[in-house]
Amino acid sequence: AQTVTQSQPEMSVQEAETVTLSCTYDTSENNYYLFWYKQPPSRQMILVIRQEAYKQQNATENRFSVNFQKAAKSFSLKISDSQLGDTAMYFCAFMKRWVSARQLTFGSGTQLTVLP
Amino acid sequence: DTEVTQTPKHLVMGMTNKKSLKCEQHMGHRAMYWYKQKAKKPPELMFVYSYEKLSINESVPSRFSPECPNSSLLNLHLHALQPEDSALYLCASSQEKGTDMNTEAFFGQGTRLTVV
Repeated sequence: AQTVTQSQPEMSVQEAETVTLSCTYDTSENNYYLFWYKQPPSRQMILVIRQEAYKQQNATENRFSVNFQKAAKSFSLKISDSQLGDTAMYFCAFMKRWVSARQLTFGSGTQLTVLP
Repeated sequence: DTEVTQTPKHLVMGMTNKKSLKCEQHMGHRAMYWYKQKAKKPPELMFVYSYEKLSINESVPSRFSPECPNSSLLNLHLHALQPEDSALYLCASSQEKGTDMNTEAFFGQGTRLTVV
């Protein structure tokens, strides 16, 4: 079984600053995906960024980038130039690669507040 | 169209009522999911449908009854619920299998259920 751990229940950052959210995971799988999902007060879970475990290059999406350390089983999210709209709960999630249906294992979440 | 639509957005029901939650997607996804989410907690997987067949039931009580009438629709029938069942119920869909390009699960905005 997989476990995903987010050790920061709450974080805050000033607008335009950079913040890093931590995530570690435990698995015996070698092929998997990792995700960061964002859940704003509107409640909808939105994919922020995705990393394939077999790719060494860290994924980036505009202001969002990850630091993926496979040996350490670490997958942190860096948000640059934070905006008020980034205020949300952020969930790190794990998914095995070669399985039918896309079952996600979520971490406990980090509530990020961007301060004006 | 990358939307997963859930209705109703809010529902208040008594413990003797019968109600249904509905979820619809038109992305051609053949895997659909129900998650339960308590406040400030990650989503917990309840059911997975794969090609309109129930493939995973995470030991959910029988007062929750899922149904997948066709590839676009997913229902969750509720009967004799308890106050502790009050939560946000999220529907999601994804490709059932495929390449690394379509790993994403798309979520609806959820139904906020209150059992009184």
